[in-house]
Amino acid sequence: AQTVTQSQPEMSVQEAETVTLSCTYDTSESDYYLFWYKQPPSRQMILVIRQEAYKQQNATENRFSVNFQKAAKSFSLKISDSQLGDAAMYFCAFYTGKLIFGQGTTLQVKP
Amino acid sequence: DVKVTQSSRYLVKRTGEKVFLECVQDMDHENMFWYRQDPGLGLRLIYFSYDVKMKEKGDIPEGYSVSREKKERFSLILESASTNQTSMYLCASSLRGQNQETQYFGPGTRLLVL
Repeated sequence: AQTVTQSQPEMSVQEAETVTLSCTYDTSESDYYLFWYKQPPSRQMILVIRQEAYKQQNATENRFSVNFQKAAKSFSLKISDSQLGDAAMYFCAFYTGKLIFGQGTTLQVKP
Repeated sequence: DVKVTQSSRYLVKRTGEKVFLECVQDMDHENMFWYRQDPGLGLRLIYFSYDVKMKEKGDIPEGYSVSREKKERFSLILESASTNQTSMYLCASSLRGQNQETQYFGPGTRLLVL
């Protein structure tokens, strides 16, 4: 079975600091996509970053970057210069024909 | 920008009631999805549709049905609501073909079944 595991139910970071959210997945597929989605409190879930498995280069979107380790099946999200607006639940997801989500990590940003 | 809307943000229903959750997208996406979100479980796929009149079961379809009469609209139906269907329901849509893996989500409907 294909699974996604986020082992950190909750994380906190000081404003302007850097935080890394962990995600591991299990699959026998070689071609797939990985995502991080952000769900702010009472607001719409939005796509943060997207990674194609065939690309070795780690995806980056402004302050958000990933560390994609295909052999280890690891896909962590790094948020640099954390801002109060980054406080949200973050979901890691994996796609090979359908999206499979992790359990989510709630990120608190302290001023 | 893709816009996915859901008919209600909050709903309170009684056990046994028939419940309709509506989802509309305005970007001409072929694919539409219904998920439920529960604490500690992430999002789980209930049903999806790749075209009008077409539907496929997801991972947890029991107790649910869907309807897709128009391309832009995808409805989730709880024929007889039960307390274990209290949850957050999220609708999503995506293109067919290239970029089909990227889904866009609605704001969610938080359903409470008493």
